[in-house]
Amino acid sequence: EIVLTQSPATLSLSPGERATLSCRASQGVGNYLAWYQQKPGQVPRLLIYDASNRATGIPARFSGSGSGTDFTLTISSLEPEDFAVYYCQQRSNWPRRTFGQGTKVEIK
Amino acid sequence: EVQLEESGGGFVQPGGSLRLSCVASGFTFSSYEMNWVRQAPGKGLEWVSYIGSGERTIFYADSVKGRFTISRDNAKNSLYLQMNTLRVEDTAVYYCARDRLAYFDVWGRGTLVSVSS
Repeated sequence: EIVLTQSPATLSLSPGERATLSCRASQGVGNYLAWYQQKPGQVPRLLIYDASNRATGIPARFSGSGSGTDFTLTISSLEPEDFAVYYCQQRSNWPRRTFGQGTKVEIK
Repeated sequence: EVQLEESGGGFVQPGGSLRLSCVASGFTFSSYEMNWVRQAPGKGLEWVSYIGSGERTIFYADSVKGRFTISRDNAKNSLYLQMNTLRVEDTAVYYCARDRLAYFDVWGRGTLVSVSS
């Protein structure tokens, strides 16, 4: 099983600041990594797929980068609605897709 | 509007059974592969099961293999998950999720399954 480790567990930032979230895979996954956002009481929403492609309707302030074992989700300037939990997910080991444990972005 | 709506969750004792359903609308259900993904209370996400568009290809997570059965009825735009021999650790919100490029691009609102004695 490919284990995804996200860091930090919690990120405390203010609106307007830049957020940088990390996801590290236990073995190389190529660029087969996605990021999801989950707000409290809501369902996950696909943000980024194949490491750097924004999903339909996702604002340009969200960007993804990385390949192999190290990936980053960057939110260039936090909006109030961006405070949420973010998960990474790999599809390299299809069908056994796995998720990271999540990073919570909270208001400082 | 593309939508998925789950139903069938509830409270059950260990060893019991439940059948979850998911109805799709707003897209050609028969053309898409589908999945069940679950989330234990306050925890992260776990992929549970996959079914191809034609029903022939099916996979399960090791944690549910032999106990859960995924199926679909394309004529009814519906996805199902038969859950048998339920365990306390199966307690979670179960999401129906559409598969796109092996990611999950559309999610239902989920249905809560609680397993407890």
